[in-house]
Amino acid sequence: GESVGLHLPTLSVQEGDNSIINCAYSNSASDYFIWYKQESGKGPQFIIDIRSNMDKRQGQRVTVLLNKTVKHLSLQIAATQPGDSAVYFCAEEAGVQGAQKLVFGQGTRLTINP
Amino acid sequence: DTEVTQTPKHLVMGMTNKKSLKCEQHMGHRAMYWYKQKAKKPPELMFVYSYEKLSINESVPSRFSPECPNSSLLNLHLHALQPEDSALYLCASRKGAGYEQFFGPGTRLTVL
Repeated sequence: GESVGLHLPTLSVQEGDNSIINCAYSNSASDYFIWYKQESGKGPQFIIDIRSNMDKRQGQRVTVLLNKTVKHLSLQIAATQPGDSAVYFCAEEAGVQGAQKLVFGQGTRLTINP
Repeated sequence: DTEVTQTPKHLVMGMTNKKSLKCEQHMGHRAMYWYKQKAKKPPELMFVYSYEKLSINESVPSRFSPECPNSSLLNLHLHALQPEDSALYLCASRKGAGYEQFFGPGTRLTVL
C-alpha cells in the first residue's frame, strides 16, 4: 500500500553538527519525493525534492539521498543552526495519472541544542 | 510571486455558523489543494482541484464544501462543523504532478 514513515519521531543535535533524518516508503512505483520543514504555527516549507532516476541531490546545506533498493529516503542537514529547529516531513508522490497526490510521513521533530 | 495566501489567519465559529476559507495564488499553478492538519500530525489531504475541476475528494464530510471559482482562487465553505474539526487548514498549489507543492500559512480554525 501507500505509506510513508519516519524511523524516529524526535532528533536532538548540537548546533554545528550534521543532522540526518530518515524516511521509509513502501510504494516501489513512487517516482517523486519531497522534504518539507514546518515551523510552529506556519505552513510546510519546501526544502528539496528528488526524482526516482536520481540517488542524490544537493541544495544549500541540505542533501537528499534516495535508496530505491531498500525504499529509503534521507535528509542530511549540514552544520545545523538554531533556525533548523522544526518538524521535518518527507512526502511521496502517489495516485493514478490525473489524480496524483503527496502522501506525507509522520514527521520528525528536530531540536538544535546550543 | 511564489506565495500562496490564505485568509483569514484565525477563525472561531459556532457549530451552527457558515463560514468560508479563502486561498489565492498567482503562480499560474493548475493544481490546488486543501489539507487539514491536527497538532503533531502530518497534513491530511482533503481535496484536490486540477484545472479548476475537483479531481480528488478524500471522503471528506459534506459539511466541508470546496469551490474553485478560477485558476487563482480556492475556497472552502464550512457549515455545521463539529468541535473535532478544529485544526489548521492549509492550502497548497503546484504546477502539476512531479513538482513541488507550495503551502500557504494556513487558517487556524476553532469550532466551539
